[in-house]
Amino acid sequence: ETGVTQTPRHLVMGMTNKKSLKCEQHLGHNAMYWYKQSAKKPLELMFVYNFKEQTENNSVPSRFSPECPNSSHLFLHLHTLQPEDSALYLCASSQEGTGNYGYTFGSGTRLTVV
Amino acid sequence: AQSVTQLDSQVPVFEEAPVELRCNYSSSVSVYLFWYVQYPNQGLQLLLKYLSGSTLVKGINGFEAEFNKSQTSFHLRKPSVHISDTAEYFCAVEVQGAQKLVFGQGTRLTINP
Repeated sequence: ETGVTQTPRHLVMGMTNKKSLKCEQHLGHNAMYWYKQSAKKPLELMFVYNFKEQTENNSVPSRFSPECPNSSHLFLHLHTLQPEDSALYLCASSQEGTGNYGYTFGSGTRLTVV
Repeated sequence: AQSVTQLDSQVPVFEEAPVELRCNYSSSVSVYLFWYVQYPNQGLQLLLKYLSGSTLVKGINGFEAEFNKSQTSFHLRKPSVHISDTAEYFCAVEVQGAQKLVFGQGTRLTINP
């Protein structure tokens, strides 16, 4: 596979469930990101990881917990979510520090909280 | 802080007509500029980017954009659109070295036959 792969594509979960979103990049990039895309709102940056280290947490509630075990994989662990957390969650990767700027996005996970 | 304003939330045009999608940004420091496209049920795909040099940037699918520093604008243009260009288009900026893309609200481009 090439590019950035996100699983699952769709997820429906109750407010008391625990689930995880997975992102994998096959581009050799050293930075990965989680973005949230809600209806009627601009894309919001949630987390940034550089070389597996978290470098940005954009005031995200603790019910969202990221994990980056290596430069190719990124997870978003979800627990006790609210209906307003329903959105499209996009993962992206980039190669920082080389001047080759540009983010590659996955197709996203459509999350519905019921 | 940086911000991006896409002046039109929706733009309907007829097939083969020209189109311009407007984008203005605010930043007190130098930025990189991007346009992304999102087709239904898909992620974002990079159309083009401005890093430095020539202010006219050409991208994929026949799109181009012009960076205007004095007007802090980065409008996207295509001389003749096709039905397949129907999608949502996002303008984004990144402060040089900041590693944080800031997006506009998006413009939905609808092509009518």
